Amino acid sequence: SQKIEQNSEALNIQEGKTATLTCNYTNYSPAYLQWYRQDPGRGPVFLLLIRENEKEKRKERLKVTFDTTLKQSLFHITASQPADSATYLCALDIYNQGGKLIFGQGTELSVKP
Amino acid sequence: NAGVTQTPKFQVLKTGQSMTLQCAQDMNHNSMYWYRQDPGMGLRLIYYSASEGTTDKGEVPNGYNVSRLNKREFSLRLESAAPSQTSVYFCASAGVGGKKTQYFGPGTRLLVL
Repeated sequence: SQKIEQNSEALNIQEGKTATLTCNYTNYSPAYLQWYRQDPGRGPVFLLLIRENEKEKRKERLKVTFDTTLKQSLFHITASQPADSATYLCALDIYNQGGKLIFGQGTELSVKP
Repeated sequence: NAGVTQTPKFQVLKTGQSMTLQCAQDMNHNSMYWYRQDPGMGLRLIYYSASEGTTDKGEVPNGYNVSRLNKREFSLRLESAAPSQTSVYFCASAGVGGKKTQYFGPGTRLLVL
């Protein structure tokens, strides 16, 4: 069956460290992979998109890698801050699926001062 | 520019009651989506509309109906609510082009007793 898996356990890190979140998928051939941030009681907010032919994408303190051979994306937040505490969702945009996104269940990140 | 708006924010229903969740976007987007989010399950697609006048089922359509009233509005109807439909419902929209980045509303919290 087709699956998307993110770290199910919450990730707790110290302020200033780099947070690394993982998104693994099976049986998909995604055109794009996207990362969203969700704060409690709010809707997800788009952060970054990476195409299948891109290895890495950066935006300020955020970095996303995409390995289609390993079927894995890594999401890094460098110099993390307490304000980065949130749930982070990965989503796959699958070819020939009408632009629908398939979401992972999300990983909760907590950055302690 | 309000983005994606949803009403109501919170609703309590009794089993068997019906209700309509409203969603509107002011970004001139073609595609609109309805998701439900349950603890540990991530976002699951209920229905989507790739363009005005078209709707298609997503992963979990049973018990729901939708109407794409015009380009701006996409409503979700529960004809006979069940406790299993207790959830947080999110509406999202996406523009044209290949990226399909989605913009989410603030959500509707629904409790079915």
